[in-house]
Amino acid sequence: KNQVEQSPQSLIILEGKNCTLQCNYTVSPFSNLRWYKQDTGRGPVSLTIMTFSENTKSNGRYTATLDADTKQSSLHITASQLSDSASYICVVSDRGSTLGRLYFGRGTQLTVWP
Amino acid sequence: EADIYQTPRYLVIGTGKKITLECSQTMGHDKMYWYQQDPGMELHLIHYSYGVNSTEKGDLSSESTVSRIRTEHFPLTLESARPSHTSQYLCASSEAGTSGRSSSYNEQFFGPGTRLTVL
Repeated sequence: KNQVEQSPQSLIILEGKNCTLQCNYTVSPFSNLRWYKQDTGRGPVSLTIMTFSENTKSNGRYTATLDADTKQSSLHITASQLSDSASYICVVSDRGSTLGRLYFGRGTQLTVWP
Repeated sequence: EADIYQTPRYLVIGTGKKITLECSQTMGHDKMYWYQQDPGMELHLIHYSYGVNSTEKGDLSSESTVSRIRTEHFPLTLESARPSHTSQYLCASSEAGTSGRSSSYNEQFFGPGTRLTVL
């Protein structure tokens, strides 16, 4: 069964600190993995996307890593800001269908305190 | 920035009412999707469309229906709303790849969502 599991479920950190979010998946055949940021009451916005051959991808203070062998990914946030408070969703796409089906994790709810 | 819009953003209605959630995109994307999301839970695909006059049911069974008469428009309708329909509904769109298959990235752009509450 294709699944995406994220940890932790929620996380509270102080402004300026770093944090790392985890994602494990069982989706096969794998196409790509992306991290989305979803602010409360809004739609998800893509942060990074990685294919099988990519190990790391950065977008400003966000750095995602991918280990396709162990089927794990992480999202590292550096020097957190209050605006980073959001849900971070790991999404894996398979390449076994014309639809390019997406499999969503439940997200990690990050709260940044001043 | 993605140009995909949803209206209304919030809707509170009584049981038994018929409602239509609107979704429009100006990117010329062929593929469009409707997702349902409850708090703290993953997004579930309830409908999708490959293009005009194409609609399919998604993974999660839903009593809603959709139509795709125009490329840019993908409305979702509930004929008789019930409290169990209370949820957030997200619309998304993506490009179709060449040869009828999706692109390798299959980037989906999401609208802001409609928060539906049925009393």
